[in-house]
Amino acid sequence: NAGVTQTPKFQVLKTGQSMTLQCAQDMNHNSMYWYRQDPGMGLRLIYYSASEGTTDKGEVPNGYNVSRLNKREFSLRLESAAPSQTSVYFCASSPQTGTGYTFGSGTRLTVV
Amino acid sequence: QKEVEQDPGPLSVPEGAIVSLNCTYSNSAFQYFMWYRQYSRKGPELLMYTYSSGNKEDGRFTAQVDKSSKYISLFIRDSQPSDSATYLCAMNAGGTSYGKLTFGQGTILTVHP
Repeated sequence: NAGVTQTPKFQVLKTGQSMTLQCAQDMNHNSMYWYRQDPGMGLRLIYYSASEGTTDKGEVPNGYNVSRLNKREFSLRLESAAPSQTSVYFCASSPQTGTGYTFGSGTRLTVV
Repeated sequence: QKEVEQDPGPLSVPEGAIVSLNCTYSNSAFQYFMWYRQYSRKGPELLMYTYSSGNKEDGRFTAQVDKSSKYISLFIRDSQPSDSATYLCAMNAGGTSYGKLTFGQGTILTVHP
């Protein structure tokens, strides 16, 4: 029972580089989310996908893009990484009713 | 002002103590309330879920919601060292905003033997 799987777990990027964070869930959930977690800021929503084929901006979308590849997979792309994007990124999924998330174990990203 | 405010602590208690964790919020539309527990270097895991006002108990954990005061609490009885973690409150309004949770900053709890 994998739940939500994120890859990679750790990544160091240079300013200006690009990368894609991968997320897959095996619980047949309709909705998926990307959050970032910074000290003292809690979890902030970057983008979400209410269902397959739809994506919407969250609270802090600037500098990011997403793709809902299919019902299982939701990726987050940084086109030109900046030091301000140094953070821990969490993917999550929830059933249609949105009652409680299942989180992945996170990706620790450092941009130097 | 943030929509959800949570005292970041840190909170340090002896084993066996009763712990009270609290959040206040400003959005009166919130009606779904959750508590997540996050161990170091792990993702948050859902601990308690409550709809609207009232109490909910699950073992040593009790969640309370007072919508009139816009205040939610999580009580941990007979706290154990294994309860040491960051506790995050989260809430949403349901309806068209379903699934989009607004989180508090998290409270760091340490239970020492």
